[in-house]
Amino acid sequence: TQLLEQSPQFLSIQEGENLTVYCNSSSVFSSLQWYRQEPGEGPVLLVTVVTGGEVKKLKRLTFQFGDARKDSSLHITAAQPGDTGLYLCAGGQGSNYQLIWGAGTKLIIKP
Amino acid sequence: DVKVTQSSRYLVKRTGEKVFLECVQDMDHENMFWYRQDPGLGLRLIYFSYDVKMKEKGDIPEGYSVSREKKERFSLILESASTNQTSMYLCASSWGGLGSPLHFGNGTRLTVT
Repeated sequence: TQLLEQSPQFLSIQEGENLTVYCNSSSVFSSLQWYRQEPGEGPVLLVTVVTGGEVKKLKRLTFQFGDARKDSSLHITAAQPGDTGLYLCAGGQGSNYQLIWGAGTKLIIKP
Repeated sequence: DVKVTQSSRYLVKRTGEKVFLECVQDMDHENMFWYRQDPGLGLRLIYFSYDVKMKEKGDIPEGYSVSREKKERFSLILESASTNQTSMYLCASSWGGLGSPLHFGNGTRLTVT
């Protein structure tokens, strides 16, 4: 079974702090997507990374795809209460329509 | 923006009932998906469809069936609802092959009593 392990599962920090969420696997992925889900809503795509070593920035969020394309990280600088949500990573492979999903990281940013 | 609409936000059904969950997308996407989401388990794929009248089983198809008679509509059917099917159900669509982002609906929270 292919797995994507996310860590930590839960994180509660104060506004203004920095944090990193990890998404790791023993499998190689051709692409890696990050989604954020707010309560009562469906997940919304934040970014897709496709090249080993790729770094993408979205305002205070920095996404990195590992050189070997087996892992990814999401770093948030100066977290704000609006960053609160469930962060999900999903890996794609070959011609498979199915994505492999991590279990998610529940992030709470306290004012 | 792509809009994926699920017909119900909340449903309460009794054990043994037949349940229909409807999903409509407005961007002419080829692919549509049904997932269930349970705490700590992430998203698990039930069924997906890459074309009208085409369907493929996902990871947990048992107890479910699907229908795609029109490109924009993908229905999930619980033939005889059971309490272990209490969950959040998410519909999604995408435009193409691997790596194309999924656009999700807001989900249907189904409770089977």
